[in-house]
Amino acid sequence: SAVISQKPSRDICQRGTSLTIQCQVDSQVTMMFWYRQQPGQSLTLIATANQGSEATYESGFVIDKFPISRPNLTFSTLTVSNMSPEDSSIYLCSGGLGEKLFFGSGTQLSVL
Amino acid sequence: GENVEQHPSTLSVQEGDSAVIKCTYSDSASNYFPWYKQELGKRPQLIIDIRSNVGEKKDQRIAVTLNKTAKHFSLHITETQPEDSAVYFCAEYNYGQNFVFGPGTRLSVLP
Repeated sequence: SAVISQKPSRDICQRGTSLTIQCQVDSQVTMMFWYRQQPGQSLTLIATANQGSEATYESGFVIDKFPISRPNLTFSTLTVSNMSPEDSSIYLCSGGLGEKLFFGSGTQLSVL
Repeated sequence: GENVEQHPSTLSVQEGDSAVIKCTYSDSASNYFPWYKQELGKRPQLIIDIRSNVGEKKDQRIAVTLNKTAKHFSLHITETQPEDSAVYFCAEYNYGQNFVFGPGTRLSVLP
């Protein structure tokens, strides 16, 4: 399996501010993704983090709201910008090892 | 677009009984089908997977079966234990595309 570290594990933020989540994967991972999981819900793909280029966003997610960086193969960040209470969720980093997908421990975000 | 249906949404079984969760997918080109277990407050963990050229795979108390013609696959847990209580997600994957996850099944194993 792949080792995926994510931080912070949780945060409480004020409306209108931004939070950057960091994800570190081990060197075997080729693909990196960011997911959102609302309480009691399934996993929704936000975007694919592409090394050295703009991320590929899914329908309903835009770069201005969720800027993503991946400066190298093993590191990526997701920023949740201009937060509102509707952004309260768990954000999960994931890495692909072959066809297998592994997840980080998640960031539980609460926006007041 | 691709869609994965998962049933049941909740399942309660007595300890020692078997549990079966079924998923139906829409993309006939999908060729990889993983199952994830997510305990409360934890990350989803890959517990078993199956490729499209295989009909069944077993790993101790868990097994997955795949029917490509009918486009459905199932997770079977035998001799359930309280630690099997979790939310289980199925997914489909087609090489070059993205994973599509089912809505999840909350399994409760009653002692």
